[in-house]
Amino acid sequence: NAGVTQTPKFQVLKTGQSMTLQCAQDMNHEYMSWYRQDPGMGLRLIHYSVGAGITDQGEVPNGYNVSRSTTEDFPLRLLSAAPSQTSVYFCASSYSLRGSTYEQYFGPGTRLTVT
Amino acid sequence: DAKTTQPTSMDCAEGRAANLPCNHSTISGNEYVYWYRQIHSQGPQYIIHGLKNNETNEMASLIITEDRKSSTLILPHATLRDTAVYYCIVRDPYSNYQLIWGAGTKLIIKP
Repeated sequence: NAGVTQTPKFQVLKTGQSMTLQCAQDMNHEYMSWYRQDPGMGLRLIHYSVGAGITDQGEVPNGYNVSRSTTEDFPLRLLSAAPSQTSVYFCASSYSLRGSTYEQYFGPGTRLTVT
Repeated sequence: DAKTTQPTSMDCAEGRAANLPCNHSTISGNEYVYWYRQIHSQGPQYIIHGLKNNETNEMASLIITEDRKSSTLILPHATLRDTAVYYCIVRDPYSNYQLIWGAGTKLIIKP
C-alpha cells in the first residue's frame, strides 16, 4: 500500500492565483481530512470528509474548498491565494471518525509559499 | 474535548528511557488520550492511545494516572531517530469532534 500520497511536495504561488492540492489514499478509509501547520504550531483542521459526497468545515475553512467524489481522493482547492496561506498542508485518513482506535494516517505534506 | 498541557521541550540521553508528561486535568470519562509524533516536519505518526489502563505497544508505553488527570508516554530505549515533536491529545471517540493539536513537546535525544 502507498498509504496517503500528496502532490505536489512544494509549490510557490503568487497572490490571487488558484491551485489544487491533491490527496489520495489506497486504504479504503472513510474519513479524510486536511490540516495546515504554521511554523512552531500544531495542526489546524481545514476541512474533512466522512465519506464520498460528504464534507464539512473544520477550524480554519475560509479560502479553501474541498470535494469528495470518490473514497480515494480528497483534493483541496485554494480559491485565491493569499500570503497568510503560506503553510505546510497535510492530508490524513482513517478508517472511521468514531471509535476508540481512531488512528489517523498522514501524508508527507505540501509546502506552499504565497508571495 | 479537554485541553492538554505539555512541556515545550525536553532532552534525553540516547539509550535511556524518555518520559514525556502530559496534563489533562479537565478530561471527561469518555475521553481517550492519544499520542502522535512528528519527525522533522514529516506527517504526524500515531504512537499509542488509552482510556484508563496502562498500554504498551512496540513503540512505547502509556501510563495514565488513576484520576486520569495526567499521563506519561515512555520510550523505553530512546534512539536518535526518536528526536521529534510529541503531541498529547484527548478526545471523545464517540463524538464527531476532531483532534485538537497543541504545540507538543520537542524531544531531543542526545548521543
